[in-house]
Amino acid sequence: DGGITQSPKYLFRKEGQNVTLSCEQNLNHDAMYWYRQDPGQGLRLIYYSQIVNDFQKGDIAEGYSVSREKKESFPLTVTSAQKNPTAFYLCATQPPPGLNRYTQYFGPGTRLTVL
Amino acid sequence: AQTVTQSQPEMSVQEAETVTLSCTYDTSESNYYLFWYKQPPSRQMILVIRQEAYKQQNATENRFSVNFQKAAKSFSLKISDSQLGDTAMYFCAFMGPVMNRDDKIIFGKGTRLHILP
Repeated sequence: DGGITQSPKYLFRKEGQNVTLSCEQNLNHDAMYWYRQDPGQGLRLIYYSQIVNDFQKGDIAEGYSVSREKKESFPLTVTSAQKNPTAFYLCATQPPPGLNRYTQYFGPGTRLTVL
Repeated sequence: AQTVTQSQPEMSVQEAETVTLSCTYDTSESNYYLFWYKQPPSRQMILVIRQEAYKQQNATENRFSVNFQKAAKSFSLKISDSQLGDTAMYFCAFMGPVMNRDDKIIFGKGTRLHILP
């Protein structure tokens, strides 16, 4: 199966714990993105990476960290510094230059709940 | 800074009717892309349609079409012969400038569309 996978689908965290959300793709896309979705807020960009071993902060990076050691993987860690982490998290990829260069494709998402 | 505004938080229409979702945006750029994404109850984000700003012709994809008014910075989505499966949240999105390596999408807050049987 080709595409973008996110795991787990549901994740529960106790206050004070760090958790890592997985995003894997086999589309051979260079760019990968993490978004947070809250009710009535649309999607907000957390971090993005255009190439391996390089990433940039988005609009709401505080309390989050990422790594990009492989082209296929872009895990997101939600740290204890994130004060309100309960949300739906979406990972997206973007193709290299070509027909669909400026289009993002999304994974199925992870619902994170803080207990 | 670019912004995207969807002025209709929620809409309902009868099945088989035509519905138009509104979107306006603000930018000083001339070269950019606009998108409509659909998020059904499964929460999977699906690209519905894409418009390049340099193209005057409005994009169409089967029952979905856009009315792109560049001077007015308006980008509405028309769904013809609406179906129950069109029930979803619809997001308008903007990406630009397209020659910048820093490709980021800005999303509106969404319009929740209900198709009634």
